[in-house]
Amino acid sequence: AQTVTQSQPEMSVQEAETVTLSCTYDTSENNYYLFWYKQPPSRQMILVIRQEAYKQQNATENRFSVNFQKAAKSFSLKISDSQLGDTAMYFCAFTRYVGTYKYIFGTGTRLKVLA
Amino acid sequence: DVKVTQSSRYLVKRTGEKVFLECVQDMDHENMFWYRQDPGLGLRLIYFSYDVKMKEKGDIPEGYSVSREKKERFSLILESASTNQTSMYLCASSLGTASTEAFFGQGTRLTVV
Repeated sequence: AQTVTQSQPEMSVQEAETVTLSCTYDTSENNYYLFWYKQPPSRQMILVIRQEAYKQQNATENRFSVNFQKAAKSFSLKISDSQLGDTAMYFCAFTRYVGTYKYIFGTGTRLKVLA
Repeated sequence: DVKVTQSSRYLVKRTGEKVFLECVQDMDHENMFWYRQDPGLGLRLIYFSYDVKMKEKGDIPEGYSVSREKKERFSLILESASTNQTSMYLCASSLGTASTEAFFGQGTRLTVV
């Protein structure tokens, strides 16, 4: 069975600094997809960034980028120029096709951006 | 924009009550999911549905059932609520034919007393 592990329950970063959130996963599959979701306090979960396993190039979305290491089964999220609005729970998620797409989530990292 | 709407933001129910949590999506998504979110445990899948009237158990289905009579609506049912079912419940939907993102509702915080 696939598992997703986030080993950092809580992190903090100063505004304008860079922070990296870690995620590892376990699968024997070759084709799959990885996601980072953001859940701001009392607000809806939204997608931050997505990575297809068959793509070697790391995904980027403005200040958010990933370091995807397929062999090591590692998928970390880097947030550059951190802003107060980045304060949230961040979840790493995995999915692959098994007749449909079922998403498996990690336990989350609570990130606090300090002014 | 995709909208996933959960019928209640906060709910308080008594032990033993039958509880219905409703979720509606407006983008014709094939897949719908119910997750439970608890501190330190992340999101755990309760049930998912990939088509009308089709359902599959997730990782923690005990004490729950689901209903999907129409494509846009996916209901989670707590047959006899217990205090250990106090939690945040998240509904999500996604397209079925390609790996796209899951879109989430705002969550229902259920307290069973």
